[in-house]
Amino acid sequence: DTAVSQTPKYLVTQMGNDKSIKCEQNLGHDTMYWYKQDSKKFLKIMFSYNNKELIINETVPNRFSPKSPDKAHLNLHINSLELGDSAVYFCASRPGLAGPSTGELFFGEGSRLTVL
Amino acid sequence: QKEVEQDPGPLSVPEGAIVSLNCTYSNSAFQYFMWYRQYSRKGPELLMYTYSSGNKEDGRFTAQVDKSSKYISLFIRDSQPSDSATYLCAMSLRPHGGYQKVTFGTGTKLQVIP
Repeated sequence: DTAVSQTPKYLVTQMGNDKSIKCEQNLGHDTMYWYKQDSKKFLKIMFSYNNKELIINETVPNRFSPKSPDKAHLNLHINSLELGDSAVYFCASRPGLAGPSTGELFFGEGSRLTVL
Repeated sequence: QKEVEQDPGPLSVPEGAIVSLNCTYSNSAFQYFMWYRQYSRKGPELLMYTYSSGNKEDGRFTAQVDKSSKYISLFIRDSQPSDSATYLCAMSLRPHGGYQKVTFGTGTKLQVIP
């Protein structure tokens, strides 16, 4: 059973197109994230949702729009794709605000986006 | 200047060597320090975590935090080819709570040669 699953794993598309990446976690966590990892392996946080509420919104172009229909799902829609959007996008989840926690982030396997 | 700096490597060592991986950081408010391991084409996985200053040992791995110098280290003893991966340091202001933003270093790529 995959704890954090993302689809699709690979996405190749043309500049200007719109695409979506989906994420689901079955860990019962309250908090989910989107991270972007560039070609130099730098992981940068983009968004975080806690129980469907947006709590972290880093400086990201408004072409990127996250949506959380419920606490187990977090999707990322990207409009008007640009060359610089090429990266690996990781979804992650973490236990919520209450209770003890190691603070561990559980990552999916990533969605590799290539914009041509 | 990034909040967390990490030598990207690559670092290539022979099997059995002791490996030292390091990060420096600028935000003195960080209290919770983690090391993640990322195999090729996979997501990062938590390897170790420490809270505030001090050492923590887990098998062949030892994590050290020196808050006065804003410097953290991960030591790997008797390194194995299966340790070949990218190692990312990470830190946050507090250990738990969904509002915590985890800030990552750029990762060090390690290759252990049999």
